[in-house]
Amino acid sequence: DADVTQTPRNRITKTGKRIMLECSQTKGHDRMYWYRQDPGLGLRLIYYSFDVKDINKGEISDGYSVSRQAQAKFSLSLESAIPNQTALYFCATSGSGRPSTDTQYFGPGTRLTVL
Amino acid sequence: QQQVKQSPQSLIVQKGGISIINCAYENTAFDYFPWYQQFPGKGPALLIAIRPDVSEKKEGRFTISFNKSAKQFSLHIMDSQPGDSATYFCAASYGQNFVFGPGTRLSVLP
Repeated sequence: DADVTQTPRNRITKTGKRIMLECSQTKGHDRMYWYRQDPGLGLRLIYYSFDVKDINKGEISDGYSVSRQAQAKFSLSLESAIPNQTALYFCATSGSGRPSTDTQYFGPGTRLTVL
Repeated sequence: QQQVKQSPQSLIVQKGGISIINCAYENTAFDYFPWYQQFPGKGPALLIAIRPDVSEKKEGRFTISFNKSAKQFSLHIMDSQPGDSATYFCAASYGQNFVFGPGTRLSVLP
């Protein structure tokens, strides 16, 4: 079984709808991240959490919110989806060493299309 | 200053050739420089990483060259194989800051 899982893998929705993307991990890591990937822009950090009680905004948090339900679960919500949020979304986890040098382990991604 | 520039955007190499991807940064606070490899339909995975106190790190066919004074680092893939066809991301980090480059799509022709 994969260490980092994301659901759903694909989602098509309409403008204005609320969407939740879920991430679960079995690596026992404290740190979890949400990124979005757009062609030519690489991976950009949306939110990150270093433990259950710690939530931090990343580079592009506007229009998104997150919930860390447990050490193993980190959800990303789009309260009112808009077309420019169409992208590939990745969840990642890392261990308890130095944040800057710990390997990040990525899930398989969720392809979100907002019509 | 938080950006990492990466070139080329795409690269086509013949099997057995050398693939070279270059990255540059501005913020001298960055103290860790990993490269991630992403196959289609998969999430990125760590390939190799270097700290700025060394100028080169080699793991098998993959080598990172690091030039601290120029604030540049590059990934060299020797004897490139079709199985190396993927998107490669350089990254830079310090503290809680982690920045990815825009990626290079590598195609290795058989």
